[in-house]
Amino acid sequence: AQSVTQPDIHITVSEGASLELRCNYSYGATPYLFWYVQSPGQGLQLLLKYFSGDTLVQGIKGFEAEFKRSQSSFNLRKPSVHWSDAAEYFCAVGISYLNNDMRFGAGTRLTVKP
Amino acid sequence: GAVVSQHPSRVICKSGTSVKIECRSLDFQATTMFWYRQFPKQSLMLMATSNEGSKATYEQGVEKDKFLINHASLTLSTLTVTSAHPEDSSFYICSAIPGTDTQYFGPGTRLTVL
Repeated sequence: AQSVTQPDIHITVSEGASLELRCNYSYGATPYLFWYVQSPGQGLQLLLKYFSGDTLVQGIKGFEAEFKRSQSSFNLRKPSVHWSDAAEYFCAVGISYLNNDMRFGAGTRLTVKP
Repeated sequence: GAVVSQHPSRVICKSGTSVKIECRSLDFQATTMFWYRQFPKQSLMLMATSNEGSKATYEQGVEKDKFLINHASLTLSTLTVTSAHPEDSSFYICSAIPGTDTQYFGPGTRLTVL
């Protein structure tokens, strides 16, 4: 079965600084990869997804992620963090575009310092 | 974009009572909906897959008699927590898939059992 590891439980960055959130997956075939953001007490919002093609994926809110098959990674990046980016971020892996078997990482909580 | 709603957003009930949570896809039809449970500061755990017109598929370890799922129409799935106990207190999130697109998540329901 597929699985996801987010090594960093909590990250703090200063506003305006760059951000990288790590995600490693385990799956024998081509994975379908997702990044979601969750604000406190809210549901999940899709930031971006990778199914195939260009390994650098652009998402909403200025986020991007790069799929690296050799490293089994799908790290999320943003060049300049805004205070409103403070939230919980979840990486997820699915086994098909139908998303009927998706597994989430434990999440990374992002704190943004003024 | 696809919108998924949940009702209620918060519910407090006494131990031993049953609670129903609704998940609706507002602007699309969803043959498949998912129910997740999220404990504080933890990731989402898939509880069950709800298929319109058929029985739900439960993940291992989820009691189907305790968490009753009904997907009676293409826009509504309900989760009923029967004979709720304090350990059932959690954040319940549903999601739905419009066609072959990715999952869209509801805002979640906070259940507190006294």
